[in-house]
Amino acid sequence: EADIYQTPRYLVIGTGKKITLECSQTMGHDKMYWYQQDPGMELHLIHYSYGVNSTEKGDLSSESTVSRIRTEHFPLTLESARPSHTSQYLCASSEYSRQFRGVYEQYFGPGTRLTVT
Amino acid sequence: GIQVEQSPPDLILQEGANSTLRCNFSDSVNNLQWFHQNPWGQLINLFYIPSGTKQNGRLSATTVATERYSLLYISSSQTTDSGVYFCAVVTSGTYKYIFGTGTRLKVLA
Repeated sequence: EADIYQTPRYLVIGTGKKITLECSQTMGHDKMYWYQQDPGMELHLIHYSYGVNSTEKGDLSSESTVSRIRTEHFPLTLESARPSHTSQYLCASSEYSRQFRGVYEQYFGPGTRLTVT
Repeated sequence: GIQVEQSPPDLILQEGANSTLRCNFSDSVNNLQWFHQNPWGQLINLFYIPSGTKQNGRLSATTVATERYSLLYISSSQTTDSGVYFCAVVTSGTYKYIFGTGTRLKVLA
């Protein structure tokens, strides 16, 4: 099992503030992901990374940015928070499957619940 | 892109009942996972099952890749099984996971 950590777990912040959501994993996984999810609804991929210095936008348009300077760290930044950013943000990483060569199994962190007032 | 549909969207069970959740996908996949999201929002891996059948306690899963569906079986359900169940797939040539719409399960004591 992978160990994935997200901080903060809960954040209430005012409109216009800059925030960074932290995500770290200790298993050396090369692939990492950020998802946005409204309560009980489906997950939407907003950013992903295949490795250091590699980042891509996901399928859901997002005003956030990410960086991947170290394998274990994949922070997400909102330059100017708005009420429409209120949601849960989930970080994940994936590893190589020995059983199904070339296929990857994904593990999730506990999430950050963001409320922008 | 690939479509992933789950059924039923909502399910209410009495404790002890059995249930089957279904995940249909519109294209061939390299990977399929089932997750349980608990009331605190944490996503827990249940099965990694691109094909075949696996069992873990009261839960089992079957994926028939050639017919583009997967089934999750819950037997003797417990209140702690409540939450949302998601399937997620990865298509050939990509490492992006596409999630289904989820099945919201509530088990009553």
